[in-house]
Parts: sequence; structure tokens; C-alpha cells
Amino acid sequence: EDKVVQSPLSLVVHEGDTVTLNCSYEVTNFRSLLWYKQEKKAPTFLFMLTSSGIEKKSGRLSSILDKKELFSILNITATQTGDSAVYLCAVEARDYQLIWGAGTKLIIKP
Amino acid sequence: EAGVVQSPRYKIIEKKQPVAFWCNPISGHNTLYWYLQNLGQGPELLIRYENEEAVDDSQLPKDRFSAERLKGVDSTLKIQPAELGDSAVYLCASSLGFVNTGELFFGEGSRLTVL
Repeated sequence: EDKVVQSPLSLVVHEGDTVTLNCSYEVTNFRSLLWYKQEKKAPTFLFMLTSSGIEKKSGRLSSILDKKELFSILNITATQTGDSAVYLCAVEARDYQLIWGAGTKLIIKP
Repeated sequence: EAGVVQSPRYKIIEKKQPVAFWCNPISGHNTLYWYLQNLGQGPELLIRYENEEAVDDSQLPKDRFSAERLKGVDSTLKIQPAELGDSAVYLCASSLGFVNTGELFFGEGSRLTVL
């Protein structure tokens, strides 16, 4: 059965800290891995990863994929209170299905 | 550019009552998704459309849920009759196409409470 597991489920850090969120997967016919940020409402797109070892970067956020070990990490440096959200990982697999993880709830304390 | 629009934003009904949710995707997006999201969990796919064709409805509880996407644009998701366990946020999303799924654009969701 295809599955996506995110860890930790929740994380509390102080402003300025660096955090690393994990997403591991077991799917049939991997096509891509996507990261989304969900605040109170709709998830918003962060990154799409298809190739191993190539870092995607946007400001203080970066992500990388390891297709051999079947995981991805999302790094956030110099965290700010506005980074508080649920971070969702989804893997696109066979038949273009998206399998979603349960998310990591990140809380940034001032 | 307008995003994905959903309505209503909130709905409170009693069990056994019907409810309907509406979604208007981003113009030009061929693929439309309906997801269910419970608190603390990731989205769960209910149905995926390519234009007006439902290409994946394997997770849609067809005894009480139905959906349509007339003319390949707007979509409606209906629950009849609603049960207590249907309380959740119903998210609609759209994308350019499923050949390279890429980025999904989500609406703000419709929060359903069944009493």
C-alpha cells in the first residue's frame, strides 16, 4: 500500500531557529514529491521535486529529495512567527495519484 | 487572476439533511479535485476530474456522496443524507492537467458541521 509519513508530527521552536521537516514515502511508480504550507485555510504550494540531490530553494526555505532512501527534507532557516503552519508533503505516484502525509505542525515562538 | 472559489465557507446541518458544495476552478485548469480534510490529517481525495470526466472516484462513498462537473468547469459535491462523521473541511483544488500534476491550487474550503 502506498504511504507517505511525515515527522515529526509537531514541532515547537523559537524564532531564529532552523528546522528540518521530514517526509518518507513508499509508493508505486514515483513521479514527484510536493511540499505545501497550510495556515488556517488552503494549502499553498512550496516546492515540487522530481530529481535526487537537486536542492530547490525559495528565500529561507529549501528542500531536497533522496530517491534512493525514499525521503525528502524541508529546511527553514532563521524561522519567523509567520512560518507557523502545517507543512504537508504529497507524493505523486501511479495513475497520477497524490498520496498525502498527515503533516507537521510547526509552531514558532517569539 | 482569480483563485479557486468555493462556497459556502461554512455549513451547519443536522444529520440526515442534504448539503451541497460548489467550486469554481481557475480558468483554463482542466483537472479538478475534491478533497476531504479532517483536523490534524492530510487531505483525502474524494474525486478527480479531467475536464468533465471523473477519472478517479474510487474513494468517493457513492451511497451518499455524488459529484458533477458540467461543461468541464464548475463542480458540485453533494452529500445526502449527511452523517455525523461527515463533519470535515471539503477542499476543492485545480491544476492545469494530470500529465504533469505539478502545482495544485486550493480553494479556502467549505467547513461542514453535522449535528
